[in-house]
Amino acid sequence: DTGVSQNPRHKITKRGQNVTFRCDPISEHNRLYWYRQTLGQGPEFLTYFQNEAQLEKSRLLSDRFSAERPKGSFSTLEIQRTEQGDSAMYLCASSSSGTYGYTFGSGTRLTVV
Amino acid sequence: AQSVTQLDSHVSVSEGTPVLLRCNYSSSYSPSLFWYVQHPNKGLQLLLKYTSAATLVKGINGFEAEFKKSETSFHLTKPSAHMSDAAEYFCVVSDREYGGATNKLIFGTGTLLAVQP
Repeated sequence: DTGVSQNPRHKITKRGQNVTFRCDPISEHNRLYWYRQTLGQGPEFLTYFQNEAQLEKSRLLSDRFSAERPKGSFSTLEIQRTEQGDSAMYLCASSSSGTYGYTFGSGTRLTVV
Repeated sequence: AQSVTQLDSHVSVSEGTPVLLRCNYSSSYSPSLFWYVQHPNKGLQLLLKYTSAATLVKGINGFEAEFKKSETSFHLTKPSAHMSDAAEYFCVVSDREYGGATNKLIFGTGTLLAVQP
């Protein structure tokens, strides 16, 4: 078990392009979360999966954002028609039901130019 | 709704002196509270957690925090700072489902700890 893995670590994209990030959680964890962290702020919740079901989405997750966890294992977060305001660190975390605290990945840093 | 307020955005201490990072929480029910640390270019690491057991919680690297319901506080302390403690610290409350399992985490804005030699 190597923890929560996120790829890529860094992504630079031009405004208007689509990007996709991947998260591989700890294998026995059934819950997966996406957060976004902008410079100087704490992470903000985006969305949450229990197994393959997406159970909650934040208001921050506009219709340009979509997340999937097709087989209840890895997850992808796609941003369509990126904007400069999407520049941030995107963090993935996983946990097991009934436990406290998460394991976070190292994040994907997105820069939109 | 649950929230946390970190009272200091920056704290600077000398190596070997005590550390105090302050956090107040707001919650409509008994909260689960956490402190996370984030070193530059690294992921968030859990320092300690309070989940309605002992009010004095001990964490990793000599950190501890005390849950004080009367003051709605969950301050983080360490008796003696080390250079390696320089990092950003986040106080966090969980939006806990009915029944006790955690759901989403709500982070404070962070406190940047600088440790001077």
